[in-house]
Amino acid sequence: EVQLVQSGAEVKKAGESLKISCKGSGYNFNMYWIAWVRQMPGKGLECMGIIYPGDSDITYSPSFRGQVTFSADKSISTVSLHWNSLKASDTAMYFCARRDLAVDDAFDIWGPGTWVTVSS
Amino acid sequence: SYVLTQPPSVSVAPGQTATITCGGDNIANKSVHWYQQKPGQAPVLVVYDDTDRPSGIPERFSGSNSGNPATLTISRVEAGDEADYYCQVWRSGTDHYVFGTGTKVTVL
Repeated sequence: EVQLVQSGAEVKKAGESLKISCKGSGYNFNMYWIAWVRQMPGKGLECMGIIYPGDSDITYSPSFRGQVTFSADKSISTVSLHWNSLKASDTAMYFCARRDLAVDDAFDIWGPGTWVTVSS
Repeated sequence: SYVLTQPPSVSVAPGQTATITCGGDNIANKSVHWYQQKPGQAPVLVVYDDTDRPSGIPERFSGSNSGNPATLTISRVEAGDEADYYCQVWRSGTDHYVFGTGTKVTVL
């Protein structure tokens, strides 16, 4: 079964660092771009950017450039999303999703999401 | 920045047709994807490349993009179609994805 499994919910304080992860299975993980998508409480979807695990090529969406860092460890089929210094406004659900050329680069497989709560 | 505008809400009776619009600059020249998101769940792709359906998506879901706006049509609406729906495009030049503002579909 093709799936993305994400790390568990996090509760942090403002100013702390955090890394959440997304592990793929059931397909050649290194050959598909992975997107990170933020959904703030009660709000819509925002694409933060995409990463290609095969060579760690990254494109950040303009609104998120400099705010977060993506990384990949292809040996364990995992990509990560990292914050150096969290803000209360980072409180959100974070999804990873697979970008697939077979569906015209839409996101065909989604992880269940990681809920991040940041208290001030 | 590029904005995709959707109506906040659409209400429809069971068995009727729901039409969700997605407006954006020059959208007819872009490939539009649509996602369904039910409460507490991850989004699901229901239409890609304007008009195509992934395997497993009912034929009741159809898309078009022959002008502005692009549209997602849900025919013979069922209670299980109640969800938020988002359109999406790839913005070339700045190389990033943009999601629409989202539409909540309520089945009366």
